[in-house]
Amino acid sequence: ELKVEQNPLFLSMQEGKNYTIYCNYSTTSDRLYWYRQDPGKSLESLFVLLSNGAVKQEGRLMASLDTKARLSTLHITAAVHDLSATYFCAVDLTNSNYQLIWGAGTKLIIKP
Amino acid sequence: GAGVSQTPSNKVTEKGKYVELRCDPISGHTALYWYRQSLGQGPEFLIYFQGTGAADDSGLPNDRFFAVRPEGSVSTLKIQRTERGDSAVYLCASSPRGLAGKETQYFGPGTRLLVL
Repeated sequence: ELKVEQNPLFLSMQEGKNYTIYCNYSTTSDRLYWYRQDPGKSLESLFVLLSNGAVKQEGRLMASLDTKARLSTLHITAAVHDLSATYFCAVDLTNSNYQLIWGAGTKLIIKP
Repeated sequence: GAGVSQTPSNKVTEKGKYVELRCDPISGHTALYWYRQSLGQGPEFLIYFQGTGAADDSGLPNDRFFAVRPEGSVSTLKIQRTERGDSAVYLCASSPRGLAGKETQYFGPGTRLLVL
């Protein structure tokens, strides 16, 4: 059974600081997604990581994937208040084109 | 263009009642997905449509849950004899091709269902 674990589940930090959210998964997978969710809003796709060593960056967010360690990280650089949200990672089942298994989410609060 | 829309945004019902939740996917998207999200959890897969047909309904928790997509566009998730444990946010997502290739799913804002 594929399990996806995120940590931490809750993170409160000051603006300007750096931090990393971790996503571990239990079996092989073809790709990993990072999504953002604001309260009462849709899940918004941030990154799709397709292969070992993949790194993608958008603004202050950078995501990486290590398929050998079954680990993805989402790194936040010089955090700003607007990045406050819940961040989810999701991993697809290797033999499926659509089934995603989701982590529980990391609620990030960035204080001005 | 317009994203995935869901109605109603909130639904309060009494235990034992029947509810219908509607999803309007992005125009032209072949694939449509329903998920359920409980507080503090990630989304949980319910059912996947490829066109009009349910390609995978393995995530539906029991036979009280049913979904249709008669014309390959709008989908309705139907819950009979609602129970308090059905309370959750029901999310709909769509993607351009579905089975034709792995692709990003685009989510609607969800319907928050509360069963009293």
